[in-house]
Amino acid sequence: DSGVTQTPKHLITATGQRVTLRCSPRSGDLSVYWYQQSLDQGLQFLIQYYNGEERAKGNILERFSAQQFPDLHSELNLSSLELGDSALYFCASSVVGFAGANVLTFGAGSRLTVL
Amino acid sequence: AQSVAQPEDQVNVAEGNPLTVKCTYSVSGNPYLFWYVQYPNRGLQFLLKYITGDNLVKGSYGFEAEFNKSQTSFHLKKPSALVSDSALYFCAVSAPSGNTPLVFGKGTRLSVIA
Repeated sequence: DSGVTQTPKHLITATGQRVTLRCSPRSGDLSVYWYQQSLDQGLQFLIQYYNGEERAKGNILERFSAQQFPDLHSELNLSSLELGDSALYFCASSVVGFAGANVLTFGAGSRLTVL
Repeated sequence: AQSVAQPEDQVNVAEGNPLTVKCTYSVSGNPYLFWYVQYPNRGLQFLLKYITGDNLVKGSYGFEAEFNKSQTSFHLKKPSALVSDSALYFCAVSAPSGNTPLVFGKGTRLSVIA
């Protein structure tokens, strides 16, 4: 157990729907990172939050949004889902506010299937 | 922006033989380089990192990686492969300045055959 908790582990939904993925960072970590892993694109950085504020943004679609709450857990909201959004979504956490030389601790992922 | 290339989608090696998983990177300035491993149905686990200093970095499970600045490479190596090393390996790079995220390669699947 890495200490990073992601729920749900698996999610099956239909095109056009909206889902929310949740992540609780490792105790003491202030940063949360979201990554999308798909077969053709590999591991793509989506967005990072540090202590409640957006810190860095990657290739995140406008249909996707995220936030980090005062208790430091984070949610990734995916709306108007398309077949191509089917992927494994990882959350990672770190103590400090930038990746730099720091090791990220990853959760087990949430597998989203859009039918 | 930084990027990572892992030229091989798949590497096959016999158990007991040495293994190499290749990685090249592109980043402005000095890089921070990482290797992570992903076992089936698990998240990524940290193996090793290069920040500065000795070009040969030793990590978990007997793995090591060699930083080569002139070739912008950071290949992962192990002298003697185990069947249990079979997994998906990711190389990643970040930069020491700014809010640059950790950027991963597409991954290389290592298969160690008994």
